[in-house]
Amino acid sequence: AQKVTQAQTEISVVEKEDVTLDCVYETRDTTYYLFWYKQPPSGELVFLIRRNSFDEQNEISGRYSWNFQKSTSSFNFTITASQVVDSAVYFCALIMGGSEKLVFGKGTKLTVNP
Amino acid sequence: ETGVTQTPRHLVMGMTNKKSLKCEQHLGHNAMYWYKQSAKKPLELMFVYSLEERVENNSVPSRFSPECPNSSHLFLHLHTLQPEDSALYLCASSHSLAGDYNEQFFGPGTRLTVL
Repeated sequence: AQKVTQAQTEISVVEKEDVTLDCVYETRDTTYYLFWYKQPPSGELVFLIRRNSFDEQNEISGRYSWNFQKSTSSFNFTITASQVVDSAVYFCALIMGGSEKLVFGKGTKLTVNP
Repeated sequence: ETGVTQTPRHLVMGMTNKKSLKCEQHLGHNAMYWYKQSAKKPLELMFVYSLEERVENNSVPSRFSPECPNSSHLFLHLHTLQPEDSALYLCASSHSLAGDYNEQFFGPGTRLTVL
């Protein structure tokens, strides 16, 4: 069975702090993709990143960075110098090769206070 | 309009009503999805359509009936719902099926309340 666990239900930080959102996944497949989505209060999920199981390189995009470690089945997301606009619910998701089913974690609600 | 749009944004209905949710994607995608997002639960995939054919149905109760008349439009017809069906219903689209690892683009959702 496939499963995504986001152990942090809610996180609250002060603006300019760095924050890391944890994601741990379970799958027996060797081919899979991992995603992060952001859901602001407006409701729609915004795609942030996709990473395949064969590429363990970390990625940085502006203030966002992702750390993929197959050895610990983790795909953590770090926001550097957080801003109020980063306040949202963040979802980690997993899909296996050949499947149409994107499996989501329960999400982490991030609140960045001014 | 751009991206994925959903109407209505909010819907309140009684258990005996019949209503429909509409989704439209303006991205030229071939696959469309319905998800249910309940409080404190992971997003649940309900239906998947690829080129207007249903390819996934995750044991969804028959009181939810999807329709995909073309690759740009997706409907979710609702009848005799239960209060536990109250949730945010999200529509998404992707270039092709997610199995090809294409990211899904989501609409803003319809907040459904069943009284």
